Amino acid sequence: AQSVTQLGSHVSVSEGALVLLRCNYSSSVPPYLFWYVQYPNQGLQLLLKYTTGATLVKGINGFEAEFKKSETSFHLTKPSAHMSDAAEYFCAVSYGNNRLAFGKGNQVVVIP
Amino acid sequence: DAGITQSPRHKVTETGTPVTLRCHQTENHRYMYWYRQDPGHGLRLIHYSYGVKDTDKGEVSDGYSVSRSKTEDFLLTLESATSSQTSVYFCATCLAGQETQYFGPGTRLLVL
Repeated sequence: AQSVTQLGSHVSVSEGALVLLRCNYSSSVPPYLFWYVQYPNQGLQLLLKYTTGATLVKGINGFEAEFKKSETSFHLTKPSAHMSDAAEYFCAVSYGNNRLAFGKGNQVVVIP
Repeated sequence: DAGITQSPRHKVTETGTPVTLRCHQTENHRYMYWYRQDPGHGLRLIHYSYGVKDTDKGEVSDGYSVSRSKTEDFLLTLESATSSQTSVYFCATCLAGQETQYFGPGTRLLVL
C-alpha cells in the first residue's frame, strides 16, 4: 500500500531562512509525486510535481523539490522564507486509477 | 484550475439527518474525488469516480454514498449524519491521462 510520511506537523522558520519540508513515501511502482499548498480557508493548490525526467523539479513561488529514488524521498525546499509562505503543505504520491495518497501535512509558521 | 465549485460552502446539521454535498466542474474532467480533511489526518479519500455512473470506494467510505449522473456533477451523501462526520470536505478533479488533481474550495460541515 502507498503511504506518505511528513514529519513535524508544525514547522517554524525565520523570515529569510531556508524552508525544508521532508517527505518520504512507499510505493510499489514508479511514483508520481506532488507537493500541494493550502492557504487558510482555501482548497489545495499544486506547488510542483514529479512525473518523469529531471529529478529536480521547480515549482511556483520559488519552491523546488528533488526526487531521490534510493531514499524514497521528495523533500521540498525554498532558500529564503517569506511571510506569504505561511500555509499548510501536503506531499502526495500517486497510486492506481489516478488516485493520490496524502501525507498528514506540515503547518509552516514564518517568524518575522 | 478546473472551474470547481462546491455547495453549500458551510452547513450545520443535526445527528441523524441526511446531507448532500455537491461538486460541480466546468472543464469536463473525467475523474472526480471526494476527500475529507481532519486535523492530524491530512486528506483521506472517501469515494471517487472514473466516469459517469462509475464510482468506487476510497479508504474512509463507511457512512457515505456518491452519485455521478453527469460528467460535471459529483454528489456526496451522508445518509444519516453523525458527529464523527464533522469535517471539511473537498472535491477534486483530474483530466484523463494526467495525474494532477485540482481542488475545489471546500465545504465545512458541522454535525451537532
